[in-house]
Amino acid sequence: EDQVTQSPEALRLQEGESSSLNCSYTVSGLRGLFWYRQDPGKGPEFLFTLYSAGEEKEKERLKATLTKKESFLHITAPKPEDSATYLCAVQAGGYGGATNKLIFGTGTLLAVQP
Amino acid sequence: NAGVTQTPKFQVLKTGQSMTLQCAQDMNHNSMYWYRQDPGMGLRLIYYSASEGTTDKGEVPNGYNVSRLNKREFSLRLESAAPSQTSVYFCASSGTRGTGELFFGEGSRLTVL
Repeated sequence: EDQVTQSPEALRLQEGESSSLNCSYTVSGLRGLFWYRQDPGKGPEFLFTLYSAGEEKEKERLKATLTKKESFLHITAPKPEDSATYLCAVQAGGYGGATNKLIFGTGTLLAVQP
Repeated sequence: NAGVTQTPKFQVLKTGQSMTLQCAQDMNHNSMYWYRQDPGMGLRLIYYSASEGTTDKGEVPNGYNVSRLNKREFSLRLESAAPSQTSVYFCASSGTRGTGELFFGEGSRLTVL
């Protein structure tokens, strides 16, 4: 069964304290792994797509990396405005090409204190 | 730039009542989706429409129906609401077939008493 697990469930950091969020997955043929950010009361906002092991993507203080079993979202010198829930999702090869079925993890709630 | 717009933002229903959640996107996207988000469960796909005129079931379709009214609009209907349908509902769209880059609306919070 295709599955996505995110850890930790919640993370509290001091401003400037770097850390990483984990997304481990088991899928039948990974087509893509996606990171989203979700602010309270809002819909998820797309951040990154990773397609193959070894790939990395960066955006401001965020860097996403991918291995064959997991992805990390590294947050360097976070600021309070980085506080949000970060969602990981995978697209499996078992689904037809006509669909964008994503399997979402339950997210990591990040709080960055000033 | 409105993106994906959902209405209503909040709704309280009694068990057995019906209602329709509306969604419209102004990005000329072909594909649209309805997800529900529950604590500890993650986002789960209810129905999707790969293109105008087509709809397909997702992971949790029971108790719901959808209509792709035109390229812009995709509605979700609860014919007889149940407490288990209390959730936050998100509509999303994507422009490229097969991409996982979705654009989400702000959500509709539904409570069924």
